[in-house]
Amino acid sequence: KNQVEQSPQSLIILEGKNCTLQCNYTVSPFSNLRWYKQDTGRGPVSLTIMTFSENTKSNGRYTATLDADTKQSSLHITASQLSDSASYICVVSYANTDKLIFGTGTRLQVFP
Amino acid sequence: EPEVTQTPSHQVTQMGQEVILRCVPISNHLYFYWYRQILGQKVEFLVSFYNNEISEKSEIFDDQFSVERPDGSNFTLKIRSTKLEDSAMYFCAIFWGEGYTFGSGTRLTVV
Repeated sequence: KNQVEQSPQSLIILEGKNCTLQCNYTVSPFSNLRWYKQDTGRGPVSLTIMTFSENTKSNGRYTATLDADTKQSSLHITASQLSDSASYICVVSYANTDKLIFGTGTRLQVFP
Repeated sequence: EPEVTQTPSHQVTQMGQEVILRCVPISNHLYFYWYRQILGQKVEFLVSFYNNEISEKSEIFDDQFSVERPDGSNFTLKIRSTKLEDSAMYFCAIFWGEGYTFGSGTRLTVV
């Protein structure tokens, strides 16, 4: 079954600290992998997108990695800020199809 | 990045009633999608719409659901006879070449 699993389910860190979120997927055939940030009650907002051939992609303090062989991805957040508190969702696309497969997300809380 | 506006932001309806959720992309697009997110669960694909036709739909998108783009701008999702389990956030999305943009969602509450 095509699935996207994320860990941890939730995470609490102090402002200024770094953190890494994990994503494992079984989607095949794979097209690309995206990380989204979703504030409570809002729509997902794109952070990064990586295709099969890309290993890493950065967007400011966000750095995503992809290992297509092991079907794993990570999102590293550097020097966290209070505004980083949100759910971070790993989303995988099938090749040759329209739909996106969403993970369950990691809920990050950043405290001062 | 293009914007996507959804209306209403929140709708409460009685079970069995029809609801229409609206999506207004700011600029011209061809690829539209509806997703839903039941409270506490992951976002799920409902339907994709390309060139005024449904191109793909999930098993969730049964005969109670329909989509259309009646005036070439607004993209609507209609639920004919709502059930309690239809309560969720409904997100419209567009594909614009570099990625997907999601609207802020409509929170549908069926009572």
